[in-house]
Amino acid sequence: DTAVSQTPKYLVTQMGNDKSIKCEQNLGHDTMYWYKQDSKKFLKIMFSYNNKELIINETVPNRFSPKSPDKAHLNLHINSLELGDSAVYFCASSPYGLELFFGSGTQLSVL
Amino acid sequence: DQQVKQNSPSLSVQEGRISILNCDYTNSMFDYFLWYKKYPAEGPTFLISISSIKDKNEDGRFTVFLNKSAKHLSLHIVPSQPGDSAVYFCAAKRGGGSQGNLIFGKGTKLSVKP
Repeated sequence: DTAVSQTPKYLVTQMGNDKSIKCEQNLGHDTMYWYKQDSKKFLKIMFSYNNKELIINETVPNRFSPKSPDKAHLNLHINSLELGDSAVYFCASSPYGLELFFGSGTQLSVL
Repeated sequence: DQQVKQNSPSLSVQEGRISILNCDYTNSMFDYFLWYKKYPAEGPTFLISISSIKDKNEDGRFTVFLNKSAKHLSLHIVPSQPGDSAVYFCAAKRGGGSQGNLIFGKGTKLSVKP
């Protein structure tokens, strides 16, 4: 039974399209995150939600919009996809903000 | 501006020997330091952490050492096993709780040869 699951695992799409990545955690954690791992392999935080409220919003284009319908879900919607958005996106959750539990990642390829 | 640096992109070690992974940081305000392990096509998994008020934390084969004056931490794996082959990320955080975020290094790929 996967603790943090995100779908899809692979996403290949054309420039200009709109796409969503879904994330669900069954650990009962209050805090959820989206991280991006770019081609240089850096893992950078994009957003953090605590109990459905936005806590952290790093410098991310406003084409990226997180949505948290409840504290077990944090979805990521991306509008007008660009080539530079190609990366691996990781969802994570945490009980106390230190130990993060990550999903297996979504590899996004924008053509 | 990289606040957490892992200057060795890769490390190769013989099975049974010690693996030492290094990490440097620039922000003296960090309160917690963590190591994560990542296998291909999987998300990172938490390995071990240390608070800035300590200089050592041990968990089985894994020990993390913190040298605050040098702004340096290291992860020791003894003895190394082939299953330890993975990418290891160092991470740091200022403050506890949900405020603030984990800042990750670029990772070091460890290969343990049988």
